[in-house]
Amino acid sequence: QLQLQESGPGLVKPSETLSLTCTVSGDSISSSTYYWGWIRQPPGKGLEWIGSINYSGTTYYCPSLKSRVTVSVDTSKNQFSLKLSSVTAADTAVYYCARPMIRGIFARGGFNYWGQGILVTVSS
Amino acid sequence: QSALTQPPSASGSPGQSVTISCTGTSSDVGAYDYVSWYQQHPGKAPKLMIYEVSKRPSGVPDRFSGSKSGNAASLTVSGLQAEDEADYYCSSYAGSNNLVFGGGTKLTVL
Repeated sequence: QLQLQESGPGLVKPSETLSLTCTVSGDSISSSTYYWGWIRQPPGKGLEWIGSINYSGTTYYCPSLKSRVTVSVDTSKNQFSLKLSSVTAADTAVYYCARPMIRGIFARGGFNYWGQGILVTVSS
Repeated sequence: QSALTQPPSASGSPGQSVTISCTGTSSDVGAYDYVSWYQQHPGKAPKLMIYEVSKRPSGVPDRFSGSKSGNAASLTVSGLQAEDEADYYCSSYAGSNNLVFGGGTKLTVL
């Protein structure tokens, strides 16, 4: 059974860098061709796609966040990570990692496996 | 402001059908058959209900159906049940390796 688990600090100071890791179990990032994704949801608001990465490190980012976002993969640990720099209160959200329905083609099939989400609050 | 436009709310009585719209542009919904729909209950992660406009993942009841016409997609829930009360989000591939979501619709079962 595929499981994804987000981890990282729940509190980040303004102007600092938010760093999260998604640990995957039940599937191997290196042997599959999925575009693993990060999605966030501010409290009481809608979903926003942040970025996606595949096993070889090919990345795609939300245009409005691209200047501040880095998504990376560590196949030896079966993890992928998110870094968001220069955070403000507007970056306070539940951050989810997810795996799409269809392998190989970015954004084709939606995300059918999600982590439980981690609330990250930006505050001094 | 979300890239895709959804009504903030929708409602229906048990057993009825309700349709939720998702309006985009000729650059996203109108250009690709890569529209997905998600159901989200409070405090839970989203659940994929529809992908590629009208396909259902395994385990999703056939009461849920999706369609698209022009720049707008729709999710129809037939035979409404109490457990269908949730927030629903659409998403679409928007070209140039970009993925966009709608603002969400709160479905109330009366």
